Amino acid sequence: DSGVTQTPKHLITATGQRVTLRCSPRSGDLSVYWYQQSLDQGLQFLIQYYNGEERAKGNILERFSAQQFPDLHSELNLSSLELGDSALYFCASSHPVAGSLRAKNIQYFGAGTRLSVL
Amino acid sequence: DQQVKQNSPSLSVQEGRISILNCDYTNSMFDYFLWYKKYPAEGPTFLISISSIKDKNEDGRFTVFLNKSAKHLSLHIVPSQPGDSAVYFCAASRLEMNRDDKIIFGKGTRLHILP
Repeated sequence: DSGVTQTPKHLITATGQRVTLRCSPRSGDLSVYWYQQSLDQGLQFLIQYYNGEERAKGNILERFSAQQFPDLHSELNLSSLELGDSALYFCASSHPVAGSLRAKNIQYFGAGTRLSVL
Repeated sequence: DQQVKQNSPSLSVQEGRISILNCDYTNSMFDYFLWYKKYPAEGPTFLISISSIKDKNEDGRFTVFLNKSAKHLSLHIVPSQPGDSAVYFCAASRLEMNRDDKIIFGKGTRLHILP
């Protein structure tokens, strides 16, 4: 158990709809990352939050948005869903530990949310 | 543009033999490399890492080798065990990450350990 919790595990919805994926990071972790894994694709970085603020952006579509709340949990909102948005969405967290440069680059992943858009 | 490439989508190795998973990167700014292992229905889990000041890092049955001049790293698993059957992701980053820096993952290699 990585300590990162993602809900729901599975989500089935229709094109044009909007969904929200939720992530609770490991206790004490300040950074939250969102990734998308489509069929035969690697982990595509979407966005990172650090202590409530957006830190870095990757290949995130304009139809997608995210936020990190004061309690450090994060939500990824996907709107106007298309068939191609069907994928596994992973959340990861990490903690910048002073004096331990390596540790802050290690991310702990949740089990993912499998999104199916029909 | 794929900055981290794992050119073998899958690999089959006999139990007890050595498994070698390869990874190439293109960005010379990367100086920290990680391997993650992923079982079905689970998220990736951190396995081993190496910084560019080293050319080898060992942890039990797992050894990662880094060839900076070739921009190539490899993960060796010796001896391979059935529980090693999983997808392995190579990832690269800068050790001191700035605001816009990211960890870049490869597409993964599926390792099958044969009985």
